[in-house]
Amino acid sequence: AQTVTQSQPEMSVQEAETVTLSCTYDTSESDYYLFWYKQPPSRQMILVIRQEAYKQQNATENRFSVNFQKAAKSFSLKISDSQLGDAAMYFCAYEYGGSQGNLIFGKGTKLSVKP
Amino acid sequence: DSGVTQTPKHLITATGQRVTLRCSPRSGDLSVYWYQQSLDQGLQFLIQYYNGEERAKGNILERFSAQQFPDLHSELNLSSLELGDSALYFCASSVVDSRGYTFGSGTRLTVV
Repeated sequence: AQTVTQSQPEMSVQEAETVTLSCTYDTSESDYYLFWYKQPPSRQMILVIRQEAYKQQNATENRFSVNFQKAAKSFSLKISDSQLGDAAMYFCAYEYGGSQGNLIFGKGTKLSVKP
Repeated sequence: DSGVTQTPKHLITATGQRVTLRCSPRSGDLSVYWYQQSLDQGLQFLIQYYNGEERAKGNILERFSAQQFPDLHSELNLSSLELGDSALYFCASSVVDSRGYTFGSGTRLTVV
C-alpha cells in the first residue's frame, strides 16, 4: 500500500528566510502525482504545487519549489522569502496515476513564521 | 472563495443520529470527491462521483453513503453517528481527467 510520511510535525522560519518541508512516500507504481496542499487556520485546503512523476524537472510556483527525487521517493517543498501568510499546516499527498481523486495524505507539518 | 460550496459549515448532533452534508462543485466540474479529516486518521479519501455515477470508493464506512444529483451537487449521508465520526468533512471537485482538485471549506461535524 502506498504511504506518505512527513517526518517534521512542526517547523519554524523567520520572515523572509527559506524553509524546506520534507516528505517521503512509498509506492511500487511508476505513474503517479505528488502534491503539496496548504491548510491555513481558515481550514481551506489550498493547492500549493503539483508534480507529475514522469517529469524530471522540479515544479515551481513563484516562491514555492519542490525537490523531487524519484529514486529516493522524496518530495520536499522549499518556501523562499517566507511571509507571515505562509503560516499553516502543509500536507504532502500522493495520487496513483491510474486513479483520480484518491489522494493519500501525510500527517502534515505545522509551519510557523516569525516576524 | 474556491467555488466549491459546502453546507452547513458547522453541525452538532447526538450519537445515533443521521445527518446530510451538501456540496456544490465548482462550475463546470463533473467530479466530486469526499474526504474526512480527523485527529487520529488524518485526511482520508471517502468516495468519488462523476456526473452522477459512483466512480471510486475509499475508506468509507457502511454507515456512510453519498450521491450526486443531476445538477451535480452531492450529498454525503452519515447515519448511526458515533463519537468517532466527529471530524471535518471536505468536498472537492475537478474537471474530468484533471489532477487539479479544488476543495471547499469543509463541514465541521461534532457528535456529542
